[in-house]
Amino acid sequence: ETGVTQTPRHLVMGMTNKKSLKCEQHLGHNAMYWYKQSAKKPLELMFVYNFKEQTENNSVPSRFSPECPNSSHLFLHLHTLQPEDSALYLCASSQVSAGGGQPQHFGDGTRLSIL
Amino acid sequence: GQQLNQSPQSMFIQEGEDVSMNCTSSSIFNTWLWYKQDPGEGPVLLIALYKAGELTSNGRLTAQFGITRKDSFLNISASIPSDVGIYFCAGDNAGGTSYGKLTFGQGTILTVHP
Repeated sequence: ETGVTQTPRHLVMGMTNKKSLKCEQHLGHNAMYWYKQSAKKPLELMFVYNFKEQTENNSVPSRFSPECPNSSHLFLHLHTLQPEDSALYLCASSQVSAGGGQPQHFGDGTRLSIL
Repeated sequence: GQQLNQSPQSMFIQEGEDVSMNCTSSSIFNTWLWYKQDPGEGPVLLIALYKAGELTSNGRLTAQFGITRKDSFLNISASIPSDVGIYFCAGDNAGGTSYGKLTFGQGTILTVHP
């Protein structure tokens, strides 16, 4: 799918670096999500943004800082990460409304490796 | 929190065989979704189920929303090599002030031998 685009696709960084992951959706959706996918674990929801407002922070450490400047763009700012933060970070978007919503569409993820 | 138990964890089958996988939950979901993830890519939606008892097909794929709303299964008929990948179930309790938070199963890794 090209409806949700994530950059970069791969990122290697040291523990003291600062970097940002970017997500852009071209589907006209009003909600965006960050997930972490580690080996042999279910996808873990990190953050939810609805109409640019953060509605969910799933006990994520403060070294991960999300930003949603508009309903089409979502960033994940990274600072002082730990080796256990190495994972595939997936962005998703969906159209939600009171009482329900449409299924989430995913980007292809950023493979993050912490040295 | 809610958890989904997806089984089997992995399957090794011959091309042409049928496949069945399922998810169970201790709590009720309003929507069941099935996704497939290929290596190096994000999950792609296969089938969405919105009503208890609903049976939906998408080509060789068939999925059902359990009548108790606590389980779902996915069947793949006449498997082909491109069916290889990881299959995830996901439950959604979106409604009211909820904004489509999905709970995912652990995934089923499917390998198809030609």
